[in-house]
Amino acid sequence: AQSVTQLDSQVPVFEEAPVELRCNYSSSVSVYLFWYVQYPNQGLQLLLKYLSGSTLVKGINGFEAEFNKSQTSFHLRKPSVHISDTAEYFCAVTSAGGTSYGKLTFGQGTILTVHP
Amino acid sequence: ETGVTQSPTHLIKTRGQQVTLRCSSQSGHNTVSWYQQALGQGPQFIFQYYREEENGRGNFPPRFSGLQFPNYSSELNVNALELDDSALYLCASRPGTGGSANYGYTFGSGTRLTVV
Repeated sequence: AQSVTQLDSQVPVFEEAPVELRCNYSSSVSVYLFWYVQYPNQGLQLLLKYLSGSTLVKGINGFEAEFNKSQTSFHLRKPSVHISDTAEYFCAVTSAGGTSYGKLTFGQGTILTVHP
Repeated sequence: ETGVTQSPTHLIKTRGQQVTLRCSSQSGHNTVSWYQQALGQGPQFIFQYYREEENGRGNFPPRFSGLQFPNYSSELNVNALELDDSALYLCASRPGTGGSANYGYTFGSGTRLTVV
């Protein structure tokens, strides 16, 4: 079984400040990791994904995330946020094979609010 | 390239009724998954279909059922609706083959179901 814990339910930040949204996961097998963003009344948009290779992953809209296998973490970062980044962010994990292949397990979400 | 399209966008049903939600997968995607997202929660995996066969199911009762058609579009059916079934239902599609490089889910905007 897999699980995802997003350590902050809400993160307020001022415009142009850096931000980090924290995600820890638990799994007994190798995993793929994802970050999605959800704007109000919309579906999920993929920000970035880690499948293999370099542990630093760059995504859309200036976001990046670092996979840390020893810490079982996949924190999302952006060096300078904009008002338009205000949204809910979800970390998700799936197994890299086996019976859970294809099933995404999501965290509870982190609401990022960017203030002017 | 079209994305994932879901219909209807909003729906109100009475407890005990049945509902059918529809999803058109992104072109070239033969795997579709359905998720339930209750208010303030992360999405929960319902089930997945690959080439018209269910090949993964989450912790949902049998009154949640699905279909995938030869054109890879999909339906989610829920019988005997309960108040707790009120949620945003998300459909996601991805290529089923091609190696991990193609491993990316595309989500639709969802159907907001309200059970009264």
